[in-house]
Amino acid sequence: SQQGEEDPQALSIQEGENATMNCSYKTSINNLQWYRQNSGRGLVHLILIRSNEREKHSGRLRVTLDTSKKSSSLLITASRAADTASYFCATAINSGYALNFGKGTSLLVTP
Amino acid sequence: GAGVSQSPRYKVAKRGQDVALRCDPISGHVSLFWYQQALGQGPEFLTYFQNEAQLDKSGLPSDRFFAERPEGSVSTLKIQRTQQEDSAVYLCASSRGTGLGNTIYFGEGSWLTVV
Repeated sequence: SQQGEEDPQALSIQEGENATMNCSYKTSINNLQWYRQNSGRGLVHLILIRSNEREKHSGRLRVTLDTSKKSSSLLITASRAADTASYFCATAINSGYALNFGKGTSLLVTP
Repeated sequence: GAGVSQSPRYKVAKRGQDVALRCDPISGHVSLFWYQQALGQGPEFLTYFQNEAQLDKSGLPSDRFFAERPEGSVSTLKIQRTQQEDSAVYLCASSRGTGLGNTIYFGEGSWLTVV
């Protein structure tokens, strides 16, 4: 079963705009990770945020984590057409080895 | 190698046929994972290896699914008597360490279609 739920399911924006995707989860986590998947390709790790962190930046990416609300958000600033992909959040819990993925947000950035 | 390599990239199997999917992890990576991804869904965990030891196989959907990593490097996921519901992308991933904070690197996947 999938623990994370991303929202929205699909997002369409124009180049230069910011894209915000949200993720909610159910159980306590060790860390939360965001991945990108281009159509027909494997997943690429974007960023990891630990349960004791609230915000993290990497280039044009900004991730926030609110453990009290069991939610995270991924912000992509100044989006580019090349950012078009599906974005997944994945949670790691202390008692297991698996990453639990959500269903993903499909992002379309049009020139 | 440079990344996680999976073969075959595409496989069409007739219902009832056995299939074997191969994963070459990044050299020296201790941890190896298999995930199943249905169309339009996120990946679902199947099994985890730490070196040659299969420490978690809780995600394998039935006893028709079997995975091995006999020498702690290459892994094979075998599906016996394939069914249509087995149609999915099978993703292999590896990481250097064993902790939850390690970056996991995914392969491009093996696309299985059962007809």
